[in-house]
Amino acid sequence: DAGITQSPRHKVTETGTPVTLRCHQTENHRYMYWYRQDPGHGLRLIHYSYGVKDTDKGEVSDGYSVSRSKTEDFLLTLESATSSQTSVYFCATGGGLQETQYFGPGTRLLVL
Amino acid sequence: DQQVKQNSPSLSVQEGRISILNCDYTNSMFDYFLWYKKYPAEGPTFLISISSIKDKNEDGRFTVFLNKSAKHLSLHIVPSQPGDSAVYFCAASASQGGSEKLVFGKGTKLTVNP
Repeated sequence: DAGITQSPRHKVTETGTPVTLRCHQTENHRYMYWYRQDPGHGLRLIHYSYGVKDTDKGEVSDGYSVSRSKTEDFLLTLESATSSQTSVYFCATGGGLQETQYFGPGTRLLVL
Repeated sequence: DQQVKQNSPSLSVQEGRISILNCDYTNSMFDYFLWYKKYPAEGPTFLISISSIKDKNEDGRFTVFLNKSAKHLSLHIVPSQPGDSAVYFCAASASQGGSEKLVFGKGTKLTVNP
């Protein structure tokens, strides 16, 4: 929905390696979000962006960084992946306050 | 501290009957609430929302009720269909302070049996 794509869709990596996940949107939404979903935890916000080069931390931001150099792209980087970062990562976009957020299809990451 | 709670991890209902999914919140600043549905291996999809100025919002088979005094909302699905089987997430946001962030519950897995 809302023209959101995530890449890669699946990734297996080793502990200590850097990983970058990409989110691309075609709706020109101002806000973009990265969540992780884990059993027993629901969806937890990692970082979000409220404009180009404007980002802020979410609930579980430790070990993650983000960048947004263009409206349509929001990158999530794990500088040095750990096994605790094995998860399904979802990108979302939205217009802002009291606006619906639309989610991408997710990226399944396995850190060995 | 969990601000949005979905206390039932799972719910099973018969096709054609009503499904009622519940959600409680603790933050009195929350004033906008949403329900999302999620199928396996897909992203969550928006289902229905409600602002705190209302106590009910209806969209086809889906109705959300909000009880602000009890800090409780519920999603009613009538009649339930097998295709409704999914995980349902409740989410909330607070407009004061300009927060565009959603806080999600842990989800309730609904199974509709034929």
